[in-house]
Amino acid sequence: NAGVMQNPRHLVRRRGQEARLRCSPMKGHSHVYWYRQLPEEGLKFMVYLQKENIIDESGMPKERFSAEFPKEGPSILRIQQVVRGDSAAYFCASSPVGARGDQPQHFGDGTRLSIL
Amino acid sequence: DAKTTQPNSMESNEEEPVHLPCNHSTISGTDYIHWYRQLPSQGPEYVIHGLTSNVNNRMASLAIAEDRKSSTLILHRATLRDAAVYYCILQETSGSRLTFGEGTQLTVNP
Repeated sequence: NAGVMQNPRHLVRRRGQEARLRCSPMKGHSHVYWYRQLPEEGLKFMVYLQKENIIDESGMPKERFSAEFPKEGPSILRIQQVVRGDSAAYFCASSPVGARGDQPQHFGDGTRLSIL
Repeated sequence: DAKTTQPNSMESNEEEPVHLPCNHSTISGTDYIHWYRQLPSQGPEYVIHGLTSNVNNRMASLAIAEDRKSSTLILHRATLRDAAVYYCILQETSGSRLTFGEGTQLTVNP
């Protein structure tokens, strides 16, 4: 039973390029969450999605960042025109049911994004 | 989101029990208490959660105070692989996000 799969594990981009981070949730999970961990900081919630819907994007920066979770395929976190401050570890989590306090979230091992 | 307070760091010896405390004096009646841990270079890993009663699973035990203003994660026999940052998180009944604090860095000595 595969866990949450994130790829790539490491991604290097130059300033101004685009970064695409992929997340395949655990089998049977239709709720996906993205978190960001800046160097020497804690994890911060970014966005919560169900299939084809963004439920809560209150943690997403207003510009350059977008997320989707299509009917088929992985969830994608897209960062346009990357800047040095985007360098961080990006974690994806999934759950079978969303918006319930008794539901644990299962995390992937993250994508480490480095901006040159 | 309700706030939790944890010690910055704790140390333990291998094979000994570890008690990791968490204060959450502003917890609401419907908040669940969750514990996650994060090993170096890995994503957070779910450990255990509870609402009012003490809970046990294969990884750990969770002891919840009667007034629910504090809780303790208990690792019965620490191993070197338990060295990690442990996060105590309150999650609303209808909440979707996890709010991570600073956590407790657990060091396990051989």
